[in-house]
Amino acid sequence: QKEVEQNSGPLSVPEGAIASLNCTYSDRVSQSFFWYRQYSGKSPELIMSIYSNGDKEDGRFTAQLNKASQYVSLLIRDSQPSDSATYLCAVTWGAQKLVFGQGTRLTINP
Amino acid sequence: GAVVSQHPSRVICKSGTSVKIECRSLDFQATTMFWYRQFPKQSLMLMATSNEGSKATYEQGVEKDKFLINHASLTLSTLTVTSAHPEDSSFYICSARVASGTDTQYFGPGTRLTVL
Repeated sequence: QKEVEQNSGPLSVPEGAIASLNCTYSDRVSQSFFWYRQYSGKSPELIMSIYSNGDKEDGRFTAQLNKASQYVSLLIRDSQPSDSATYLCAVTWGAQKLVFGQGTRLTINP
Repeated sequence: GAVVSQHPSRVICKSGTSVKIECRSLDFQATTMFWYRQFPKQSLMLMATSNEGSKATYEQGVEKDKFLINHASLTLSTLTVTSAHPEDSSFYICSARVASGTDTQYFGPGTRLTVL
């Protein structure tokens, strides 16, 4: 059974602080890893993709991947109230399927 | 780039009717599209994978005769919920893969289906 695990939260972070979101996955064969943001009532929006071990930075977002530990994380620096959303970790296995975690609900407090 | 649209955005229907949802890739050709369903406070669940010009591949537990998928062109896939019942009420979201060789999927805005 291919699984992606996330802490459902809610995770509360003060405005301006760093929000840290974590995800573990069960399949060692997984090659591609994604973070999506989903606002209430909306569809997921791609934030980051990462394919190799290490860090990948894009603006205020940094994705970190550790394949040996089967762990991927997302850091949001200088958190803003508009970052309040559910963050979905997704992992591919096989040719093309995405498996989603249950999502972490993040609240940024002004 | 990589814009995916869905129509309608919201539909309310009576039990027993059929509803068709369209998913279009607006600025790219999508050889593969995916259909997901999301219930309140739950994550996305893949229903089926749709490849242009071939039959869709359904996930375990998804009735292919109830959820008809057609991927007639490189920019259009449709999902028809046949004989809808209240338990089919959900948020249906499609996604499209930009090109073969990449795993990145871009999502449409979703269709909220309410079956009375």
